[in-house]
Amino acid sequence: DAGVIQSPRHEVTEMGQEVTLRCKPISGHDYLFWYRQTMMRGLELLIYFNNNVPIDDSGMPEDRFSAKMPNASFSTLKIQPSEPRDSAVYFCASSKRDRGSNTQYFGPGTRLTVL
Amino acid sequence: GQQLNQSPQSMFIQEGEDVSMNCTSSSIFNTWLWYKQDPGEGPVLLIALYKAGELTSNGRLTAQFGITRKDSFLNISASIPSDVGIYFCAGLDYQRGSQGNLIFGKGTKLSVKP
Repeated sequence: DAGVIQSPRHEVTEMGQEVTLRCKPISGHDYLFWYRQTMMRGLELLIYFNNNVPIDDSGMPEDRFSAKMPNASFSTLKIQPSEPRDSAVYFCASSKRDRGSNTQYFGPGTRLTVL
Repeated sequence: GQQLNQSPQSMFIQEGEDVSMNCTSSSIFNTWLWYKQDPGEGPVLLIALYKAGELTSNGRLTAQFGITRKDSFLNISASIPSDVGIYFCAGLDYQRGSQGNLIFGKGTKLSVKP
């Protein structure tokens, strides 16, 4: 059974460029989460979707960040324009609400470096 | 907002030793989760706890959901080299959004004693 798939695994870009990160959640999961991980701040939730609808985007750092989920099997996180302080590992996670809880399964992450 | 205090920040283990780490919160969570993250990978779920007082094992790992719902611990018995990594606790916060989201601790880094 395939887990959460993210691409690319590594991205190096220059300041000012647009960056698009991609995620395919586990089939049948109805929640999708985007996280950012840095040494300083640890794991931070950026945004999450339920049934393809954004529910909480209060973690999105600023307007340069946007996320979409056009269908149940695909989501993107876009940064435009990118800045060096956006360098981090970005994780996508998915879950299916069950037994009153919502256990999340993480993808391998995209390591973003903005020069 | 809610925060989790995870301790210790780091620890060194010798093969065969038992390991213990814990998380505390200033407020109540409905679910506690424990994840392990290896270098270059995403966090992998180890144990999920859904009820106060629940004690759950997964092989050499045992975790408990505190009675007050404000804390949880993870024990690893008879540690082996592949236990090395970063362990995260996470609490599910139903106050933020109708379905909640995870609040993560800062992690406990497990290393092998030189």
